[in-house]
Amino acid sequence: QVQLVQSGAEVKKPGSSVKVSCKASGGTFSSYAISWVRQAPGQGLEWMGRIIPILGIANYAQKFQGRVTITADKSTSTAYMELSSLRSEDTAVYYCASHTPPDYWGQGTLVTVSS
Amino acid sequence: EIVLTQSPDFQSVTPKEKVTITCRASQSIGSSLHWYQQKPDQSPKLLIKYASQSISGVPSRFSGSGSGTDFTLTINSLEAEDAATYYCHQSSSLPTFGGGTKVEIK
Repeated sequence: QVQLVQSGAEVKKPGSSVKVSCKASGGTFSSYAISWVRQAPGQGLEWMGRIIPILGIANYAQKFQGRVTITADKSTSTAYMELSSLRSEDTAVYYCASHTPPDYWGQGTLVTVSS
Repeated sequence: EIVLTQSPDFQSVTPKEKVTITCRASQSIGSSLHWYQQKPDQSPKLLIKYASQSISGVPSRFSGSGSGTDFTLTINSLEAEDAATYYCHQSSSLPTFGGGTKVEIK
């Protein structure tokens, strides 16, 4: 049984960056995909990108290309999602999720972008 | 990018009624279509994978069908606890989600 625990809520200024972590336990971290999905207030789910730690290769949704970086640290079984050039529209709950299709989900991290 | 279009956006249903939600893909995705349930302030929960494969622990009243571009999630004999928003999700290419269908209990 995989468990994913995410870092805590963040408040950021427009134009800054945020880095959210996702620590996995159970399973074999390196072998399954870790995806990042966000949900703006009252809106639907939006896939941002994913990484397969054993390959070290990340794929990103076109909308976020150039602004998001997903990495993984196999030594600590932790995945990271960094989003830069933040704007108010990036205010959302950010989820990490593992496997394909995503079967195990983190608890979500609220990122608020406000001046 | 593969666009997933769900219908309806909203459905108000009485208990024990049958619910059908459809998801149409902008191009063929084979069977790489999955269904999620999300309740308020909760993380999404996988209900059905690869169009019709059941998930351990998910009630048998949830079923899926379809292939190619047209898919259906069926909830037989709706229960009050099924009030939620349902999303389809494709993993054929770069993944995407449908817009969601909110199911309300009358």
